[in-house]
Amino acid sequence: GAVVSQHPSWVICKSGTSVKIECRSLDFQATTMFWYRQFPKQSLMLMATSNEGSKATYEQGVEKDKFLINHASLTLSTLTVTSAHPEDSSFYICSRLAGAWDTQYFGPGTRLTVL
Amino acid sequence: DQQVKQNSPSLSVQEGRISILNCDYTNSMFDYFLWYKKYPAEGPTFLISISSIKDKNEDGRFTVFLNKSAKHLSLHIVPSQPGDSAVYFCAASFSGNTGKLIFGQGTTLQVKP
Repeated sequence: GAVVSQHPSWVICKSGTSVKIECRSLDFQATTMFWYRQFPKQSLMLMATSNEGSKATYEQGVEKDKFLINHASLTLSTLTVTSAHPEDSSFYICSRLAGAWDTQYFGPGTRLTVL
Repeated sequence: DQQVKQNSPSLSVQEGRISILNCDYTNSMFDYFLWYKKYPAEGPTFLISISSIKDKNEDGRFTVFLNKSAKHLSLHIVPSQPGDSAVYFCAASFSGNTGKLIFGQGTTLQVKP
């Protein structure tokens, strides 16, 4: 069964609004979770590493003030896309470490469409 | 700078035959490699992995080969089944990188019945 869930699975919003995406680790307390973004027909690109109880670590080129990450508990990380614009439309996926080396379990993803 | 490359965007094979998906990397510090399978609008599913201390890892119909000198890995699926049709991503990481995965662009595999 699924070990990582995401909510919502898809969302459509107007330009300028903010959208929150939740990522839950269902079977394991995850101190570290990851957020990826995938544009159509492109690779998954790591956006940030979410750390429970501390600030997220963002990859180069990812605006931390635009993509707010909160990892307030060991089972929940949230990604808030602030003042969303059409170019933020993408497929957002979270993951957590599986415990063995760097294998990760991924959530089902959230399709964001900004009008 | 694409550190992990999958140069074939698509591959089509007949059911029962072998599927070979290729992946090249440029960063010699990578020491762990993974293959994921992904269906549209779903998250990737882990398939198989290999550490740099090995050159082969097998799990059922799936075998991953690693050629460190060539910085190349491949995923063999045999026999291929129609249910294997999906996008396959290879990914790489290195020790001390806190679990970050660098993904290739993906290869769409179609297995024809």
